[in-house]
Amino acid sequence: GAVVSQHPSRVICKSGTSVKIECRSLDFQATTMFWYRQFPKQSLMLMATSNEGSKATYEQGVEKDKFLINHASLTLSTLTVTSAHPEDSSFYICSASASGHLGITGELFFGEGSRLTVL
Amino acid sequence: QQPVQSPQAVILREGEDAVINCSSSKALYSVHWYRQKHGEAPVFLMILLKGGEQMRHEKISASFNEKKQQSSLYLTASQLSYSGTYFCGTREREGGKLIFGQGTELSVKP
Repeated sequence: GAVVSQHPSRVICKSGTSVKIECRSLDFQATTMFWYRQFPKQSLMLMATSNEGSKATYEQGVEKDKFLINHASLTLSTLTVTSAHPEDSSFYICSASASGHLGITGELFFGEGSRLTVL
Repeated sequence: QQPVQSPQAVILREGEDAVINCSSSKALYSVHWYRQKHGEAPVFLMILLKGGEQMRHEKISASFNEKKQQSSLYLTASQLSYSGTYFCGTREREGGKLIFGQGTELSVKP
């Protein structure tokens, strides 16, 4: 199957610090990765779309200077929350789409999610 | 454009059936269904592509009416393990972004 690993699963940081979340496709090449944010009892809201080697496309209302996305290789994308504040506390989830036979249906493969708590 | 799900919540007794609907104001390429348990990542159930073919995963099935831009998820003879929040996600084009509905919270009681 297609496995997406996300790390760390939980992180607690102080206000004003930066946090990096990694998303890796373990057994396939991810042509596109999507980053979502989910607040308690709410839906998954798309933050940005990233393609390997190019700049991420951010959704309206998402600050690109605050949420830095890097998709340096076909198996790794990172989300850095810069100068984190308590309101950034949320569940961040990445997902990846694959090429080849894994990508035929268009299924997205989700990571396990990262719960960020900013004190 | 976020798809709209209904109902927002449903409570079932074990063995009962339920239907969750998902509708969009935009033409759709595909509809994806996920179930999420509290504190966990969403789990993929099935994907429906343009063409209206009904899909099935064990006792859960789904249909996609592309003309009406609607999809329905059918849970038959519900089990306790079916409890969770169900999300539909829609794509307007192949390879496009997946936008999720607001979710339907399903509780199955013994």
